[in-house]
Amino acid sequence: AQKITQTQPGMFVQEKEAVTLDCTYDTSDQSYGLFWYKQPSSGEMIFLIYQGSYDEQNATEGRYSLNFQKARKSANLVISASQLGDSAMYFCAMRRPSGGYNKLIFGAGTRLAVHP
Amino acid sequence: DTGVSQDPRHKITKRGQNVTFRCDPISEHNRLYWYRQTLGQGPEFLTYFQNEAQLEKSRLLSDRFSAERPKGSFSTLEIQRTEQGDSAMYLCASSLSSSAQGAIRGTEAFFGQGTRLTVV
Repeated sequence: AQKITQTQPGMFVQEKEAVTLDCTYDTSDQSYGLFWYKQPSSGEMIFLIYQGSYDEQNATEGRYSLNFQKARKSANLVISASQLGDSAMYFCAMRRPSGGYNKLIFGAGTRLAVHP
Repeated sequence: DTGVSQDPRHKITKRGQNVTFRCDPISEHNRLYWYRQTLGQGPEFLTYFQNEAQLEKSRLLSDRFSAERPKGSFSTLEIQRTEQGDSAMYLCASSLSSSAQGAIRGTEAFFGQGTRLTVV
């Protein structure tokens, strides 16, 4: 069965510092996709970054990068130069990209607090 | 606004009442998903549609829950005889299918702001 584990219930970081949010996953599939979403207090899930299991390069999107270590089954999110607006819940998720299994499996999330 | 929209944003209902939520996906997206999120947890998959066909349902979707997507556009999620355990955030998301997009990248799901249900 697919499973996502986020072991950090809460993290805090000083503004302008970098922070790493951990995510490990469990799957027997060879082909899958990994996602990070941000959920501010308003409730909307905001897509941040995507990594495919066959992608050789780590994904980057602006200040977000994904540290993908396939052998360790980890997909950590790195936020560089944290901003106050980064304070939110962050969810790691996994999806099978093909076939009929299109649902996202989410972890329990990490609450990030950015301090000035 | 061309994002996913959900209505209502908040709903308070008495136990035993029926409620219905609406989701309007991004117009060109052929896939639509419903998720439920309880406090302190990540979203859990409920069901998904490709166009008007409901292709997958979670075991979480008891017989009191029903979802429709007539004509492959907006979707509704109805909960009959609500229970206090139904209190949660109900999130809708939409995406393109990989075959429509031609690649895996770009098929990420875009979420609405959710409907927060409180059953009293």
